Amino acid sequence: EDQVTQSPEALRLQEGESSSLNCSYTVSGLRGLFWYRQDPGKGPEFLFTLYSAGEEKEKERLKATLTKKESFLHITAPKPEDSATYLCAVRMDSNYQLIWGAGTKLIIKP
Amino acid sequence: EAGVTQFPSHSVIEKGQTVTLRCDPISGHDNLYWYRRVMGKEIKFLLHFVKESKQDESGMPNNRFLAERTGGTYSTLKVQPAELEDSGVYFCASSQVAGTAHYGYTFGSGTRLTVV
Repeated sequence: EDQVTQSPEALRLQEGESSSLNCSYTVSGLRGLFWYRQDPGKGPEFLFTLYSAGEEKEKERLKATLTKKESFLHITAPKPEDSATYLCAVRMDSNYQLIWGAGTKLIIKP
Repeated sequence: EAGVTQFPSHSVIEKGQTVTLRCDPISGHDNLYWYRRVMGKEIKFLLHFVKESKQDESGMPNNRFLAERTGGTYSTLKVQPAELEDSGVYFCASSQVAGTAHYGYTFGSGTRLTVV
């Protein structure tokens, strides 16, 4: 069964304390892996797309990497405004649906 | 450019009633998607429109759900009659090109539906 699993469910960090979020997937024919950020009461906001193993993308304090089985979202020296739920989703070759993980709720304390 | 607009933002209805959710995609986006997140679960795909045609409706849970997209512009999602398990947040997204991986899909803020 096609599945996306994110860990941890929640992560509390001090401002400036770097860490990583994990997204593991089991799908047949990966077309792309997406990272989104979601703030309370808002819809998911696109961050990155990764297409193939070994690829990396960066945006400000965030860096996403991809292997054949998982993706990591590394956050370097986070600030309180980075607090949000981070969602991972994958798209397969066979259709345009996104299969989502449950998300990691990130809290950055000042 | 204006984003994806959904309304209402919240709706509380009684079991058995009918509710219609509306989504206005970004102008010029031919592709429109509906997703929902029920309490404690992951976001799940419902269906995908290309212009006014249903490209993929495999995620629609049952025949109480009816989606339309008039003239390839805005879309509506009607739930009739609503059941308790339909409660959740319904998201709409749009994209210029189907499966446009490079820029992702643009999501609206969602409609929070509560069935009591």
